[in-house]
Amino acid sequence: EVQLLESGGGLVQPGGSLRLSCAASGFTFSNYAMSWVRQAPGKGLELVSGISGSGDMTHYADSVKGRFTISRDYSKNTVFLQMNSLRAEDTAVYYCAKQDTLTGYPWSGWGQGTLVTVSS
Amino acid sequence: QSVLTQPPSVSGAPGQRVTISCTGSSSNIGAGYDVHWYQQLPGTAPKLLIYGNTNRPSGVPDRFSGSKSGTSASLAITGLQAEDETDYYCQSYDISLSIWVFGGGTKLTVL
Repeated sequence: EVQLLESGGGLVQPGGSLRLSCAASGFTFSNYAMSWVRQAPGKGLELVSGISGSGDMTHYADSVKGRFTISRDYSKNTVFLQMNSLRAEDTAVYYCAKQDTLTGYPWSGWGQGTLVTVSS
Repeated sequence: QSVLTQPPSVSGAPGQRVTISCTGSSSNIGAGYDVHWYQQLPGTAPKLLIYGNTNRPSGVPDRFSGSKSGTSASLAITGLQAEDETDYYCQSYDISLSIWVFGGGTKLTVL
């Protein structure tokens, strides 16, 4: 069974930093691309960042480019999201998601989410 | 402003059929990229409902079906049940933005 467990969320002041972690289990970690998707309070879903299974390709939403960095540790089966220069508009629940190899590469596994609040 | 456009809300009576549209453009759905649909119950993570335009993951009832034509896609739900009342999101890839994009979401109300 696929399990994704996020951690690292919390309250941070504008301009501050946070590092989110997503511990994965139940599948061969290196075979799958992983992503971070966020949802601001009362709003829709936004793909923040993604990383390929091999780790050699990454992509970012324009809203976070230059501020967020995604990475993965194969020894720990963990994906990270380093978030710097945080802004109020980054406040959201951040979900870790596994991108499947099914037709069209949908996100078939999701964590429970971790809340990031950026406020003074 | 979402790249993929969904109606903010739809409604139907128990047992009826409803459809949720997802309108894109020539840089996403119209470019041939697959559409996926997710169901999100309140306070929980999204759940994959339809992938590759028309396919259901195991465990998803056949009351849910997807279709795609041109620059749009649709999710149909037949035999509406009270438990279907929640939020639904479409997703596709946008070649101009070089990133996966979501629709703004549709809240389904079962009357």
